[in-house]
Amino acid sequence: GEDVEQSLFLSVREGDSSVINCTYTDSSSTYLYWYKQEPGAGLQLLTYIFSNMDMKQDQRLTVLLNKKDKHLSLRIADTQTGDSAIYFCALTNSGYALNFGKGTSLLVTP
Amino acid sequence: NAGVTQTPKFQVLKTGQSMTLQCAQDMNHEYMSWYRQDPGMGLRLIHYSVGAGITDQGEVPNGYNVSRSTTEDFPLRLLSAAPSQTSVYFCASSRGLAGESYNEQFFGPGTRLTVL
Repeated sequence: GEDVEQSLFLSVREGDSSVINCTYTDSSSTYLYWYKQEPGAGLQLLTYIFSNMDMKQDQRLTVLLNKKDKHLSLRIADTQTGDSAIYFCALTNSGYALNFGKGTSLLVTP
Repeated sequence: NAGVTQTPKFQVLKTGQSMTLQCAQDMNHEYMSWYRQDPGMGLRLIHYSVGAGITDQGEVPNGYNVSRSTTEDFPLRLLSAAPSQTSVYFCASSRGLAGESYNEQFFGPGTRLTVL
């Protein structure tokens, strides 16, 4: 599949903002998602953005899309210890075949 | 709605054994997919289906077969298990693209498979 790159680890203090980044190569991607996975659990959809949008805000979550640079980011405001998990960006232009990054492990320390 | 269900949750096989991982959804979704998740590799697409009777290969199809005889069910078959197939397997479903309308992929809880 097309390359989707994420940094592997991020550590932040509780109350700070977290920014998780994702870069991709397939410019035809129509739907771009952020999933959260807690240890031993399945994937939970956090938020999504369409390719014709630049930004989407949903409570503590802000997604930014820079199509020119093929860069997607997820900002979590006021990060809590319960936000510690692995975060995956995923892209598709088909609706049935998601191309996932390898995931960013977020550790929130008190 | 139960959403996407997968059975079993855990399975241990010996090399060469065969088995079927079950996946079912009750949301009348057209699209269904199988992914495997390996440490440090993210999720990779094995097979997918865009409707009953239609299946196709994803990124890592070797060693796996699928069929889609009904809208609800999408079983994944391992014909002769190998240690390289030790992984966590996720099934997903979605209702299909419709312009720019929201199209979420719903994931099952996963099956953790170990091949000795």
